[in-house]
Amino acid sequence: DAGVIQSPRHEVTEMGQEVTLRCKPISGHNSLFWYRQTMMRGLELLIYFNNNVPIDDSGMPEDRFSAKMPNASFSTLKIQPSEPRDSAVYFCASLPQGFGNTIYFGEGSWLTVV
Amino acid sequence: KQEVTQIPAALSVPEGENLVLNCSFTDSAIYNLQWFRQDPGKGLTSLLLIQSSQREQTSGRLNASLDKSSGRSTLYIAASQPGDSATYLCAVGYPGNQFYFGTGTSLTVIP
Repeated sequence: DAGVIQSPRHEVTEMGQEVTLRCKPISGHNSLFWYRQTMMRGLELLIYFNNNVPIDDSGMPEDRFSAKMPNASFSTLKIQPSEPRDSAVYFCASLPQGFGNTIYFGEGSWLTVV
Repeated sequence: KQEVTQIPAALSVPEGENLVLNCSFTDSAIYNLQWFRQDPGKGLTSLLLIQSSQREQTSGRLNASLDKSSGRSTLYIAASQPGDSATYLCAVGYPGNQFYFGTGTSLTVIP
């Protein structure tokens, strides 16, 4: 299996621009998570989808952030407009159906907003 | 919000030493606990998964224990090697697929 695939791996953008991060979960996994990692705050859950439906988006910082999962094999996290404080590593992770399973992470998208 | 604490934040040991990393959590009604390894510039790789009904899990030189009542887990690494240098994170899983991560312990094994 190819694992969780994220793109782009690295993105440098100017403040005010729109940023779209993409994720392909492991085939057959029905739960998908978007996390943000910073030195100051560690790993924070942004949003969690189950069967393509957003279940918990309480971690989405503000209206500038939005996430979609149009089908079981694809999700996007969009930031519009981006700000320097959004600079972080954004991870996508997926989880198979059932209880007590391992969560699998992608390699992350390293975002720098200048 | 659940609190997950990892101590120490950083650890440096000479090669060959045995070491213990600690993870503590405030809510003991957990579903499972996972230990992850993160190398610089990489994602998180699962090392060990302990279900709430288990006391420990072993994989090679790694042994993870879980004490739900005291809200603690330890990751024991035997005969450490320079290749073990990485950041180790614990994640506590609760019902509803809620996972809470510690801030990690940065381990350096000196050759």
